Amino acid sequence: DVKVTQSSRYLVKRTGEKVFLECVQDMDHENMFWYRQDPGLGLRLIYFSYDVKMKEKGDIPEGYSVSREKKERFSLILESASTNQTSMYLCASSSPPQETQYFGPGTRLLVL
Amino acid sequence: GEDVEQSLFLSVREGDSSVINCTYTDSSSTYLYWYKQEPGAGLQLLTYIFSNMDMKQDQRLTVLLNKKDKHLSLRIADTQTGDSAIYFCAEKEGGSYIPTFGRGTSLIVHP
Repeated sequence: DVKVTQSSRYLVKRTGEKVFLECVQDMDHENMFWYRQDPGLGLRLIYFSYDVKMKEKGDIPEGYSVSREKKERFSLILESASTNQTSMYLCASSSPPQETQYFGPGTRLLVL
Repeated sequence: GEDVEQSLFLSVREGDSSVINCTYTDSSSTYLYWYKQEPGAGLQLLTYIFSNMDMKQDQRLTVLLNKKDKHLSLRIADTQTGDSAIYFCAEKEGGSYIPTFGRGTSLIVHP
């Protein structure tokens, strides 16, 4: 079974703090993704990576950065957290040919 | 751009069949997916179908694809309270990394 894990299920941070969200997958997938999920807005892609050290912006990259130093790990960084980044963050991974995405359990982030 | 539409809510009685519908606009869609999200959890892949198929059945789940109308449906037979969740439809072109997701349908199963 594919397993995607995320470092925290719940996180509370203060405005201005630097926040790291970590995601690890154990299936040797090439591609990894970060989404945020907000009520009424569905899933929105923040960043994705198709290889180690490669990254591409998604639909809403502003205020976020990512790091992929190893194939199995993809980190999402909030350089200076703001209250409008309070959300559920979902990591996913996929691999050719179907590119079916497998998701982690999510991190619910609250920024005060 | 591509768009995937789903109704927001569906309410069914326990034991009945549920049918969740999805329409998409991308005629190049190659793969179509159904995901389930339980409260506070990530998305769990339920099933997927290739665009050259009309139907796929997996236990209580039946997926129907009408490629001409760009319509995908998920039927859950004998719906149980444990099926209460948000169901997401997604489509993807062949050769693309990134699927397009619908906004999800909340399935509410009542006794």
